[in-house]
Amino acid sequence: DAEITQSPRHKITETGRQVTLACHQTWNHNNMFWYRQDLGHGLRLIHYSYGVQDTNKGEVSDGYSVSRSNTEDLPLTLESAASSQTSVYFCASSEARGQPQHFGDGTRLSIL
Amino acid sequence: AQKVTQAQTEISVVEKEDVTLDCVYETRDTTYYLFWYKQPPSGELVFLIRRNSFDEQNEISGRYSWNFQKSTSSFNFTITASQVVDSAVYFCALSEPPIYNQGGKLIFGQGTELSVKP
Repeated sequence: DAEITQSPRHKITETGRQVTLACHQTWNHNNMFWYRQDLGHGLRLIHYSYGVQDTNKGEVSDGYSVSRSNTEDLPLTLESAASSQTSVYFCASSEARGQPQHFGDGTRLSIL
Repeated sequence: AQKVTQAQTEISVVEKEDVTLDCVYETRDTTYYLFWYKQPPSGELVFLIRRNSFDEQNEISGRYSWNFQKSTSSFNFTITASQVVDSAVYFCALSEPPIYNQGGKLIFGQGTELSVKP
């Protein structure tokens, strides 16, 4: 069965370090998204991609970057981790724009 | 700008009660999509339903039903005869239509935490 996987599931790191969260999907979807979930805010869009070499900023993109070198992967990088980036991160993909998004199980990131 | 409001932060009911989760949205687009997702205590996000702006028919799936009203910009979700397994956070979301390289993103409400007690 096709799936979307995130790794690691949990990570603890220190402020100032660079952190990369992996997202891999086997749906062969062109559209991929990164969200963060914080209490009281629901899920907020960080970055998204509509295909290889395409990346776009979302609502809360400061301090984050993504790259899309193939269809399957959209890694999220925190250039210099800050305590405000402690959150649960979800990756998602969809077959077409406006179609339901399939979500990974999330990565819980703690920055001390 | 697009916005989704779920005014009910937390709802607590006793098993077998009916419960309605409210969702109000704002958009200037005439074509858009609305979604409901469920997030159980295990944390994953589960897709429940998608509705496009041209389809105002209500939907029923087992104990779940959805009432879409464009006149009031609402897309409410009702669980009939609630069960303990319905305990979760429920998110309503809005997606704009795809236009060139814009659109298709999901804008989520803040979520409603439903607790169903035995």
